Amino acid sequence: GENVEQHPSTLSVQEGDSAVIKCTYSDSASNYFPWYKQELGKRPQLIIDIRSNVGEKKDQRIAVTLNKTAKHFSLHITETQPEDSAVYFCAASRKAAGNKLTFGGGTRVLVKP
Amino acid sequence: GAVVSQHPSWVICKSGTSVKIECRSLDFQATTMFWYRQFPKQSLMLMATSNEGSKATYEQGVEKDKFLINHASLTLSTLTVTSAHPEDSSFYICSARKGGTSTDTQYFGPGTRLTVL
Repeated sequence: GENVEQHPSTLSVQEGDSAVIKCTYSDSASNYFPWYKQELGKRPQLIIDIRSNVGEKKDQRIAVTLNKTAKHFSLHITETQPEDSAVYFCAASRKAAGNKLTFGGGTRVLVKP
Repeated sequence: GAVVSQHPSWVICKSGTSVKIECRSLDFQATTMFWYRQFPKQSLMLMATSNEGSKATYEQGVEKDKFLINHASLTLSTLTVTSAHPEDSSFYICSARKGGTSTDTQYFGPGTRLTVL
């Protein structure tokens, strides 16, 4: 089955700096890669996703890049703000596997004011 | 919109009792719902996939007789933890897959915190 590795497990950045989280996946047939933000005790919120026919996607301060050959994808947050502090999860899925999401281990991001 | 609700948000029960958790898609039809559990400071682990009108598909290592899943309609799936024990204490989260052009997108419920005494 699919295996998703996520790094780093914790990330501390100064407000205004950029944050980058990287994930690798094992199943070359995976074709959908969402990123979720989870605040303590709350539901994961979809913040951005990318499909395998696209190499990069941007939404305001958030961007995701995908390298299918290397089987890795990354989340970039620019101009970080204290409210960006949360746990971020990457995931991968493929339609043939029933769209089941396999999650990375998570990255705890702390933005220091 | 794509709103998913869960009920209850938290529950405390005695060991040996059963607990039912409901997951509803409020503004869309969900042919597929997923159930996850999450331990503190850990990632989400998929327990089972729930398909409307058919039996759930369980992940390896998840006891189907202990975690009963029913997907009675296109907007409701239930998870029943039977004969709960303290080790079942966890955060249970459901998600629903929205149909249409983005059929792979999942939206999560707010979660249910189960504490078994």
